[in-house]
Amino acid sequence: DQQVKQNSPSLSVQEGRISILNCDYTNSMFDYFLWYKKYPAEGPTFLISISSIKDKNEDGRFTVFLNKSAKHLSLHIVPSQPGDSAVYFCAAKGTYKYIFGTGTRLKVLA
Amino acid sequence: NAGVTQTPKFRILKIGQSMTLQCTQDMNHNYMYWYRQDPGMGLKLIYYSVGAGITDKGEVPNGYNVSRSTTEDFPLRLELAAPSQTSVYFCASSYERGVVGDFGPGTRLTVL
Repeated sequence: DQQVKQNSPSLSVQEGRISILNCDYTNSMFDYFLWYKKYPAEGPTFLISISSIKDKNEDGRFTVFLNKSAKHLSLHIVPSQPGDSAVYFCAAKGTYKYIFGTGTRLKVLA
Repeated sequence: NAGVTQTPKFRILKIGQSMTLQCTQDMNHNYMYWYRQDPGMGLKLIYYSVGAGITDKGEVPNGYNVSRSTTEDFPLRLELAAPSQTSVYFCASSYERGVVGDFGPGTRLTVL
């Protein structure tokens, strides 16, 4: 049973436009969420996180929104750049581990 | 800091062979993790450790063993390789419980 879901396996966006990546979770006990970015042949790198006491967290071009009632979070990238092309994973915090979604491959077109 | 390093980068094993995937971190993190990533899937936790001498099972521990004799090293052992263990393996470490901060570059393992 997938507790963290990323229903869009891929997304293509024009350079300069907004990229919106979505993530849904099923367990209302999750209280901390992260987004990771992964380039081919590299390990995931931490991008941005959000606690359940907030509904928004911003870091430069990256903003994460959390809707607890809908059990939904999203990552906005504005403006999108070709270097943002990667696979993005959302993760929800469990007791000792993070539960990862299956990832969304973002392609930013120049 | 080198961060989290993993060796080897690639390996092909025959069914029934054994091998050890090495993982080392130089950040003095107490918490270390092994994940595997299958195609089209998220990362699944195999084993984790909260400090030297302490290890525990994650979601998918069958077919693997770990040890943690030092803070720096967290090797993952496959005793009898099976095709189902074909995957990319990531080691990670963190300074805080449950916060996975740093991943290694991964080991791509194929079992034929």
